[in-house]
Amino acid sequence: GQQLNQSPQSMFIQEGEDVSMNCTSSSIFNTWLWYKQDPGEGPVLLIALYKAGELTSNGRLTAQFGITRKDSFLNISASIPSDVGIYFCAGQEPKGAQKLVFGQGTRLTINP
Amino acid sequence: DAGVIQSPRHEVTEMGQEVTLRCKPISGHNSLFWYRQTMMRGLELLIYFNNNVPIDDSGMPEDRFSAKMPNASFSTLKIQPSEPRDSAVYFCASTPIGYGYTFGSGTRLTVV
Repeated sequence: GQQLNQSPQSMFIQEGEDVSMNCTSSSIFNTWLWYKQDPGEGPVLLIALYKAGELTSNGRLTAQFGITRKDSFLNISASIPSDVGIYFCAGQEPKGAQKLVFGQGTRLTINP
Repeated sequence: DAGVIQSPRHEVTEMGQEVTLRCKPISGHNSLFWYRQTMMRGLELLIYFNNNVPIDDSGMPEDRFSAKMPNASFSTLKIQPSEPRDSAVYFCASTPIGYGYTFGSGTRLTVV
């Protein structure tokens, strides 16, 4: 099946720093989504991108849908302790199927 | 809205026993997904339903796994017989067509 390459796998940063992570695919997607997972919980949707080139913000989070439809990035500005968690990208296939393909996740750790 | 409700939250069982995981999707969501999460393989789609009908079960590992959705408000994932390698967190998610998933809190399954 399709694979998403998400990087980096983990990040260790200081509180207040900006964070950037990305996903790439060998295939195109119609939709890119970014999720965050806290320990012991399911992933929660942060941002959804529906159009190539689209740049969307949600508070301190900004995500972009790549022009080629094969990549996306997520930026977090001025990180705070509650940003700790695992971030997943996900792509929705273009043939009308509802299923999402997930990246392997980026584990974010913040030193206060 | 109570969100996607999964039960039990934790399940510990002996190898060879039957395990049933339950999911109640969000009312009005017509697609339901079962995912399995492990450290090694990340989030893997097992099966998904549209309007209670199984659409793609290609991710179901083997015949020991089965899933049903008898009505729009309930789905089960059954493992019989269970094996230690089935230990994982199993997530249910639901969505209306065209939007990102809402995940439940998951069932952590341990097979000893």
